[in-house]
Amino acid sequence: SAVISQKPSRDICQRGTSLTIQCQVDSQVTMMFWYRQQPGQSLTLIATANQGSEATYESGFVIDKFPISRPNLTFSTLTVSNMSPEDSSIYLCSVAGIGFSYGYTFGSGTRLTVV
Amino acid sequence: QKEVEQDPGPLSVPEGAIVSLNCTYSNSAFQYFMWYRQYSRKGPELLMYTYSSGNKEDGRFTAQVDKSSKYISLFIRDSQPSDSATYLCAMSVNQGGKLIFGQGTELSVKP
Repeated sequence: SAVISQKPSRDICQRGTSLTIQCQVDSQVTMMFWYRQQPGQSLTLIATANQGSEATYESGFVIDKFPISRPNLTFSTLTVSNMSPEDSSIYLCSVAGIGFSYGYTFGSGTRLTVV
Repeated sequence: QKEVEQDPGPLSVPEGAIVSLNCTYSNSAFQYFMWYRQYSRKGPELLMYTYSSGNKEDGRFTAQVDKSSKYISLFIRDSQPSDSATYLCAMSVNQGGKLIFGQGTELSVKP
């Protein structure tokens, strides 16, 4: 399966600032996704990162708040903009490879605390 | 109603017990079913991946899918303290499509 490197692993940020999270995969993957996991909760899909085009956002998530880039088949970034304490969560990158024979792999996540 | 329902637990069992974890779902279009294990402060780790109905076994883990009942299960035999984690079911309609997760069941295996 693919190996995902997600950075930073954790951060504490001031409200009103922005944080960009990076997801690097060791092999080309077809699909890349960004999830949010709020404290004690399950995973909620934010958006699908599309290579070379705008991301596809789920209901309740907008590009101005969570801009996403995916310049190639191995890299994506998620920015959490104009942060508030409600954005404190774990943000996870996930990939599904060519053929999908191994399901979906997740990064170790970015634990974000907004103060 | 959530698309995927999973009892959050917590579930506590003695070492060596057989553990049964379950999810129900409402969308009959789901075809791909997964179970993930998530340790504290880690990302989810894929345990089992199945397509459509049937059983799949991998070591101490068995996944069952009953599409007619919209019900999936994960069985853990001879449970170990190292199995203590949160178990999440997930499913998708298409290969590579978005995953819908259950809430996760917190499992504790006591020595």
